Amino acid sequence: AQTVTQSQPEMSVQEAETVTLSCTYDTSESNYYLFWYKQPPSRQMILVIRQEAYKQQNATENRFSVNFQKAAKSFSLKISDSQLGDTAMYFCAFSGAGSYQLTFGKGTKLSVIP
Amino acid sequence: NAGVMQNPRHLVRRRGQEARLRCSPMKGHSHVYWYRQLPEEGLKFMVYLQKENIIDESGMPKERFSAEFPKEGPSILRIQQVVRGDSAAYFCASSPLGFSGANVLTFGAGSRLTVL
Repeated sequence: AQTVTQSQPEMSVQEAETVTLSCTYDTSESNYYLFWYKQPPSRQMILVIRQEAYKQQNATENRFSVNFQKAAKSFSLKISDSQLGDTAMYFCAFSGAGSYQLTFGKGTKLSVIP
Repeated sequence: NAGVMQNPRHLVRRRGQEARLRCSPMKGHSHVYWYRQLPEEGLKFMVYLQKENIIDESGMPKERFSAEFPKEGPSILRIQQVVRGDSAAYFCASSPLGFSGANVLTFGAGSRLTVL
């Protein structure tokens, strides 16, 4: 079974600064997908970024980028130029190739301070 | 496109009552997934349904929980004889094809169940 670990229950960052959220996972599969989801106070789950394990290039989406270290089974999320609207819970998630289930970590609560 | 619609957003039940949560997938999506989020936890998979079929219910508690996705109408997650431990947020997600990581799930805003 896969596990996803987010070791930072809470973090804070000053507006316009950069913050990195950590995620590690455990799997015996060689091909899989990793995701970061954002859950603002509205509770809506919003996909932030997605990484395919067989791609060495780190995924980026505007101010969001990941540092994917396959050997270390690490998948951290970097948020640049933090904005107040980035305040939310952030969940790291794993899906094996061909699996229709997502396995989520417990989340990191990020607060952006003005 | 209205997205994945869940209702009610909030539901309060007393112990022993029944809870019914509804999910209308995105237009054109015929695959529905239910996840449960307990307090201070991430989402956990419960069940995967296609129209009129349960594909995988391995994450569903064996008793009191059931799910359906009829040919017409929304998917329903039903919890009979609710207990306090059922208090959680229940999320529905949908996809046009079976989710495999190569595509993405679209989530609804969740239904928060509180059991008194």
